[in-house]
Parts: sequence; structure tokens; C-alpha cells
Amino acid sequence: AQSVTQLGSHVSVSEGALVLLRCNYSSSVPPYLFWYVQYPNQGLQLLLKYTSAATLVKGINGFEAEFKKSETSFHLTKPSAHMSDAAEYFCAVSDAGGTSYGKLTFGQGTILTVHP
Amino acid sequence: KAGVTQTPRYLIKTRGQQVTLSCSPISGHRSVSWYQQTPGQGLQFLFEYFSETQRNKGNFPGRFSGRQFSNSRSEMNVSTLELGDSALYLCASSIGQNNEKLFFGSGTQLSVL
Repeated sequence: AQSVTQLGSHVSVSEGALVLLRCNYSSSVPPYLFWYVQYPNQGLQLLLKYTSAATLVKGINGFEAEFKKSETSFHLTKPSAHMSDAAEYFCAVSDAGGTSYGKLTFGQGTILTVHP
Repeated sequence: KAGVTQTPRYLIKTRGQQVTLSCSPISGHRSVSWYQQTPGQGLQFLFEYFSETQRNKGNFPGRFSGRQFSNSRSEMNVSTLELGDSALYLCASSIGQNNEKLFFGSGTQLSVL
């Protein structure tokens, strides 16, 4: 079984400050890990995906995440927050090379607020 | 390329009724997955279809069903609606190989009164 825990349901930062959204996962098989963003009244948009090629993954809009197997973590960061980053962020896991077909296990989400 | 299209965008039903939601995947995508999103339970996987066959299923009662047509378009059906079925239903498409990127539609917001 797989699970994802996102630490902090709400994170608030000032514009220009570092964004750090925390994600820890549990998986009995090698995982693929994802970060998605959801803006109000919209679907989910993929920010980045870890597939075991490199532990530091760069995504869209200046976001990146580092896979740390020893800590079972996949935290999302952005050096400088922008007002347009305000949204809800979801971490998700699926099993690599398995038969999870279309199934992602999502965390509960973290709402990011950016203050001017 | 057009994205994943879900219709209708909003839907209001009463308890006991049934509902059908539609999803048109990105052109060339053969896999369609469905998710339910609620404030309490978050995002939960319903099922996945590829080439008209269900390959994976989440832990939902039999009232939730789906199908996929030869053009990859998919529908999901919920029978005997309950208040707890009120949710945003999201459809996602992908090429069809395992563990690849999912592209999500904007969802259908279902309210059960």
C-alpha cells in the first residue's frame, strides 16, 4: 500500500520569499512521485515528476523537488514566491513499473497563500 | 492540442437519481482515469480505462461505474445518488503506458440535494 502525508494544510509566505511544501511518502515498491497544482475551479496541473532518473527534479514555473529515499521525502521548493503561485498543491505517489494504471495516491493538499 | 474536456461543468441532482458524466481525452490519449475530490476525503481514485477495458478500480461501491468508447471518450455513471456523492469529479487522460503523466480536466461539480 502507498500513502502520502503533506505536512501543513496551509502555508503562508511573503512575495519573494522561499516556498517550501513538505511531502513524505510510504511505499513498499519503488515509487514515482508527483507534484500537482490546482487553481480555484480548475483541474490539476502537473508541476513535476520523479521517475528515478535524477533525485533533483525541476518543474514548471520555477519549482523543483528533491527525492530523498533515506527520509522518504519529496519536498517542493521555489526560491522566490510570486502572487500567481497562490493555489493548492498536491503531492502524489504511484508505483514504478507496477500495474497501478492511472491510479495516483494523493496527499491531502497544502494551500499556499502569498502575501504582498 | 485541446485539453481534457468534461461535461457538464455543474450538475444538481436529488437523492435517488442517477447521473452520467462525460470526459473527452486529449487527442491520441487512450487511457482515461476518474477521480472524486471532496473536502473531507481529498482526491480518491475511482477507475481507469484503456482501449474500452477497465484496468484498475478504486474502493468505491458498485453504484459507481464507467465505460470507455472506441474513440477513447469515457463516461462515468452514479446510480441511486446519496448526499455524500456531492463532489468534484475529475477526469484525467494519458497515452496509456503505466505511471506516466496524467492530464486533468476542469471537472464536473456534482451537488446532490
